[in-house]
Amino acid sequence: DAGVTQSPTHLIKTRGQQVTLRCSPKSGHDTVSWYQQALGQGPQFIFQYYEEEERQRGNFPDRFSGHQFPNYSSELNVNALLLGDSALYLCASSPRQGVTDTQYFGPGTRLTVL
Amino acid sequence: GENVEQHPSTLSVQEGDSAVIKCTYSDSASNYFPWYKQELGKGPQLIIDIRSNVGEKKDQRIAVTLNKTAKHFSLHITETQPEDSAVYFCAAPARGGSNYKLTFGKGTLLTVNP
Repeated sequence: DAGVTQSPTHLIKTRGQQVTLRCSPKSGHDTVSWYQQALGQGPQFIFQYYEEEERQRGNFPDRFSGHQFPNYSSELNVNALLLGDSALYLCASSPRQGVTDTQYFGPGTRLTVL
Repeated sequence: GENVEQHPSTLSVQEGDSAVIKCTYSDSASNYFPWYKQELGKGPQLIIDIRSNVGEKKDQRIAVTLNKTAKHFSLHITETQPEDSAVYFCAAPARGGSNYKLTFGKGTLLTVNP
C-alpha cells in the first residue's frame, strides 16, 4: 500500500518565480491538506482540498493556491516567491473529509528560494 | 484559533530511561490529539493519537495521556532506544473541532544517548 508521495524532493528557485509542487494521497484517501514547515518549527496549515474544492484555508496570502484532480492528487502553487517561502512543504492525506480521522504525511518537498 | 504549547524544546535521556513530553491547548472543543515523530529529512510520522472520550492510550513503549479539564496531554516513551531520537510534535485541531486543520506545537528534540 503506497503512502503519500510528493514531488519533487528538492527545488531551488529565485525570488519572483513561480513553483508547483505535487502530491498523491494514500490509497483510499480523498482529502489532501498542505502544510509549510519552516526550519526548527512545527508544520503550519496552508489549505485543504476535498472534492476538488478548497475547503479550509490557513493564514497564507493569495500567492498560495492549489488544485485537486479527479484522482484526488493535488498541486500547490506559489507565485511571486519570496525568500521567506523557503521551507519544507508537506502534504497530508485523510480518508474522509469532515470525519475525525488521522492525517498521514508525505516526505515533503524542500523549497529553497534564493 | 487553537494555540498549542509544547515543552520541553529539547530532551536528552540515557538509553533505557523514560521520556515525557507535554502539550497544552487552548480550545476546549478540541477532541483529537495526535503525536508525530519526525526524523531528519523526513515527513512527520503518526505514532499515536488519542480522542477525547478516553484518558489514556498505550501502544507498546509509547503512551499518551489526556486531561481535558486542564487542557493538556502528554507523550510517554518508556525504555528509550537510540532509534527513538527524533523531533516529536503534538497537535490539536483548530477552533470548532475541525480535525483536518491541525495546529502543531513547536516540537521537542529528543536525544537518546547509548
